[in-house]
Amino acid sequence: KQEVTQIPAALSVPEGENLVLNCSFTDSAIYNLQWFRQDPGKGLTSLLLIQSSQREQTSGRLNASLDKSSGRSTLYIAASQPGDSATYLCAVPGAGSYQLTFGKGTKLSVIP
Amino acid sequence: EAGVAQSPRYKIIEKRQSVAFWCNPISGHATLYWYQQILGQGPKLLIQFQNNGVVDDSQLPKDRFSAERLKGVDSTLKIQPAKLEDSAVYLCASSSGQPYGYTFGSGTRLTVV
Repeated sequence: KQEVTQIPAALSVPEGENLVLNCSFTDSAIYNLQWFRQDPGKGLTSLLLIQSSQREQTSGRLNASLDKSSGRSTLYIAASQPGDSATYLCAVPGAGSYQLTFGKGTKLSVIP
Repeated sequence: EAGVAQSPRYKIIEKRQSVAFWCNPISGHATLYWYQQILGQGPKLLIQFQNNGVVDDSQLPKDRFSAERLKGVDSTLKIQPAKLEDSAVYLCASSSGQPYGYTFGSGTRLTVV
């Protein structure tokens, strides 16, 4: 059974800092890995989708990396802004399945 | 393209009442999912549809939850009767299959009092 862990559970940084969120998963037989953003009480917004054959994906100030063999992914946010404050979730489809397994998320607060 | 539409956005009901949520996926997406997200947790899959057939409902509390997908497009999720522990955000997602990833709706926040 796939398990996803996200560290840290919460993070508070001053505006302008670069930061890294970590995600680890137990079963490396994945199609891809997806990072989502969630604002309080709201749905999930897809940030980045990394295919199993890729090492990283970039979108604006966000960069996500994937190391399948070690079961790890990182989400790098450059020059953080107060508007980046949200919970960030990573998710992977299970082995042989299209169903996503999620971590519990990292709650990010960017202080002006 | 239009996103995944969900309604209502918020719902407050008393325990033992019934409630229904509606989802309209992205056009052409064959796979539809309902997830339950309790505060402070990651989303948990309740049911997966492929077109109008159920692929997996192993985590759906079938004594009180039911779901259907009409003509392989819209879907409804119903809870009857609701319990306090059903308070959560209910998320609908659709996908055209791997490796294309998922698109989620804005969710329905349910509070049972």
